[in-house]
Amino acid sequence: NAGVMQNPRHLVRRRGQEARLRCSPMKGHSHVYWYRQLPEEGLKFMVYLQKENIIDESGMPKERFSAEFPKEGPSILRIQQVVRGDSAAYFCASSPRLAGGPTTGELFFGEGSRLTVL
Amino acid sequence: TQLLEQSPQFLSIQEGENLTVYCNSSSVFSSLQWYRQEPGEGPVLLVTVVTGGEVKKLKRLTFQFGDARKDSSLHITAAQPGDTGLYLCAGAMDSGGSNYKLTFGKGTLLTVNP
Repeated sequence: NAGVMQNPRHLVRRRGQEARLRCSPMKGHSHVYWYRQLPEEGLKFMVYLQKENIIDESGMPKERFSAEFPKEGPSILRIQQVVRGDSAAYFCASSPRLAGGPTTGELFFGEGSRLTVL
Repeated sequence: TQLLEQSPQFLSIQEGENLTVYCNSSSVFSSLQWYRQEPGEGPVLLVTVVTGGEVKKLKRLTFQFGDARKDSSLHITAAQPGDTGLYLCAGAMDSGGSNYKLTFGKGTLLTVNP
């Protein structure tokens, strides 16, 4: 059973370009979460999506960042007009049901996409 | 402000030694998770603790959740080189619908030398 698949693993962009990061959740998982790990920082929540719905985007920067999880295909995190401060590792996680409650659902993380902005 | 403080930040020990790493906060968490992350990889969940005072064991790893659910510790007995990695604690503050919004510490980077 394949795990969470993220691609590309490494992406280099120049300032002003667009970055698209893809995430395919584990088979049978319908909940996707994106986290960002900045250098010297802990992982920070960005957005939670279900198929065709953004459930919680409270951690997303207000501008240039967007996420989607279409009915078919992977979830995509899109960063427009990238700046050097966007350089980070972006992790996607999935779960089979909402992660919450005393029987917390496990979040399965992908290997991450490392974005470098020149 | 870092909600979850992990200590020590770095730890280098010899194979066979015991160690404890800590995760502290002034905030109360509904649950707390420990992950291990290797270079270039994503975090892998080790354990979830949800009850104050709870102790869970995973082979040579012992996890404890503080009585007040503000802190946690991870103790490793007879460490092995395979235990090398970044140990992350992550807390969830809402026992309702938003337990996916984990707050992560910066981690303890453990190196076990043969």
